[in-house]
Amino acid sequence: QVQLQESGPGLVKPSETLSLTCAVSGYSISSGYYWGWIRQPPGKGLEWIGSIYHSGSTYYNPSLKSRVTISVDTSKNQFSLKLSSVTAADTAVYYCARVTRELLGWYFDLWGRGTLVTVSS
Amino acid sequence: QSVLTQPPSASGTPGQRVTISCSGSSSNIGSNYVYWYQQLPGTAPKLLIYRNNQRPSGVPDRFSGSKSGTSASLAISGLRSEDEADYYCAAWDDSLSGQVFGGGTKLTVL
Repeated sequence: QVQLQESGPGLVKPSETLSLTCAVSGYSISSGYYWGWIRQPPGKGLEWIGSIYHSGSTYYNPSLKSRVTISVDTSKNQFSLKLSSVTAADTAVYYCARVTRELLGWYFDLWGRGTLVTVSS
Repeated sequence: QSVLTQPPSASGTPGQRVTISCSGSSSNIGSNYVYWYQQLPGTAPKLLIYRNNQRPSGVPDRFSGSKSGTSASLAISGLRSEDEADYYCAAWDDSLSGQVFGGGTKLTVL
């Protein structure tokens, strides 16, 4: 079955860059689908960060676009998130997910377990 | 402030039917599909409803979704204790060119 697993540092210093990777097993990223990142600050709701197709085309949340880069590595069957100039407001559980895109929307049909990233000095 | 508006809480007793509303605008719910996610305590969200009213395989038919104009609703019938969770609506927003979520509704089974 298809599984997604986030990995990366759990603690990042303010002003530095947050870097996470999502390893996909049971499915080849090159075969299709978009792949995305969503975050959830402690005790708060969900926020879409961005999504990427296996070809590399990306969509970003306009409110984060200036700080976000999402990339894909088909040879390793994984995709990555970089968020620069982080502050305490970026402290959250970060989820990676598989995205099904359709004509009138898209949805996240498979999720990783999530990884907590804390921004603190 | 979320683009989609949900009540922060809802409650019901076992066996009851509860509904959770999601209000948006013409640029999101009014022109695109609505999706619903269930997040059980301490776990990742799970897709519950897609394309306004479709259930993925494995989701009980006690869960149903509907949409009218710029609003949508999630209904849960025959409420069970294991339904206690946070529920989020979502849609694509044409004006923002991005995916937007509601603030979430915490469902308590009394």
